[in-house]
Amino acid sequence: KAGVTQTPRYLIKTRGQQVTLSCSPISGHRSVSWYQQTPGQGLQFLFEYFSETQRNKGNFPGRFSGRQFSNSRSEMNVSTLELGDSALYLCASSRDTEGYGYTFGSGTRLTVV
Amino acid sequence: AQSVSQHNHHVILSEAASLELGCNYSYGGTVNLFWYVQYPGQHLQLLLKYFSGDPLVKGIKGFEAEFIKSKFSFNLRKPSVQWSDTAEYFCAVMGTGGFKTIFGAGTRLFVKA
Repeated sequence: KAGVTQTPRYLIKTRGQQVTLSCSPISGHRSVSWYQQTPGQGLQFLFEYFSETQRNKGNFPGRFSGRQFSNSRSEMNVSTLELGDSALYLCASSRDTEGYGYTFGSGTRLTVV
Repeated sequence: AQSVSQHNHHVILSEAASLELGCNYSYGGTVNLFWYVQYPGQHLQLLLKYFSGDPLVKGIKGFEAEFIKSKFSFNLRKPSVQWSDTAEYFCAVMGTGGFKTIFGAGTRLFVKA
């Protein structure tokens, strides 16, 4: 079965711009979570969606937002980009919210210049 | 608040050596526990998980982990490592009841051939 698909794979944006990242989970997976991965901070939790509802949110500013559609696909948006937003953004899907573990996508590498 | 601590950031072993990577977590309730692995150039993948029951869990590629509730620990072990085990290993904890999954900072393992 197809894995978790994230688009685009690479993105270069200018400070102050906004960006939208997309994630298509594995078919049948209803939970989608987003993480920011950087060399210094590891994986930082952004948010989790389940059946179109945000269930959990990490400690990121309001510039970071997301949503989930009825087909479980998810998008995250970052507005007013800052240099420090440069990171690998990972999407992970799970069949449900308890104990199944994640399947991760390959990530979107965002560079802010 | 949840937190995960991985004791070693870098580990270097020779082939056939035994491996133990430490992981301690902080959380006031019951948990689901995971180890993920990221091989060079690949995306994160689930190595093993503890959901309930037997605290000694076995995963792929000969890895196992033991959940010791009294010590809040979930250490990863492998009796004999191979060069192909060179990767970064992440411990993760999720509080039951639909709480977010928090990752440790990761341990980079390098196995010398």
